[in-house]
Amino acid sequence: DADVTQTPRNRITKTGKRIMLECSQTKGHDRMYWYRQDPGLGLRLIYYSFDVKDINKGEISDGYSVSRQAQAKFSLSLESAIPNQTALYFCATKSDDRGTEAFFGQGTRLTVV
Amino acid sequence: GENVEQHPSTLSVQEGDSAVIKCTYSDSASNYFPWYKQELGKRPQLIIDIRSNVGEKKDQRIAVTLNKTAKHFSLHITETQPEDSAVYFCAASIIKAAGNKLTFGGGTRVLVKP
Repeated sequence: DADVTQTPRNRITKTGKRIMLECSQTKGHDRMYWYRQDPGLGLRLIYYSFDVKDINKGEISDGYSVSRQAQAKFSLSLESAIPNQTALYFCATKSDDRGTEAFFGQGTRLTVV
Repeated sequence: GENVEQHPSTLSVQEGDSAVIKCTYSDSASNYFPWYKQELGKRPQLIIDIRSNVGEKKDQRIAVTLNKTAKHFSLHITETQPEDSAVYFCAASIIKAAGNKLTFGGGTRVLVKP
């Protein structure tokens, strides 16, 4: 499903480096989300946005920032990467209040060494 | 905020047997409960969902039940097949005009043995 596209798919970076993960969608959805997935911890919400000018912190926002540049784009940044941010990151989108299904990107596997 | 707990974390079943995964949630205002399936190396995909005005929903071999009083909901897979092997996530949210934020359980790794 290419409707939600994440780049890069895999990335290895060094501790202290700044890194940006990008997400773009062609579904025309207003709502976009960033999750991280760790073994045994499921999907945890980092940030979400309901509109271009709307940014909300999720469950685990410390150490991350986001930018909603346009309706179709939602970027996640790690200003100074640390090893415990090694995880699989998913972007997801949802339509408006009548829509309930979340559509996920393919995921970005990030390793911080 | 909402907290969703999911059990068991791993589940091994013989092909043809049934599998049951249980989730509990903390926020009594939650009214939407989806289940996602994530196959190895792939993204999560919605397989079934249920809203609070319904106690049970079925789709072929999968069914979900919801007990609002006890704040728990379950996924039932009957006649399991090898392709049912995956990680399953439950989630809970509140549907409202401002949109809904999903809170996920920790996931259950299901292995169906041929």
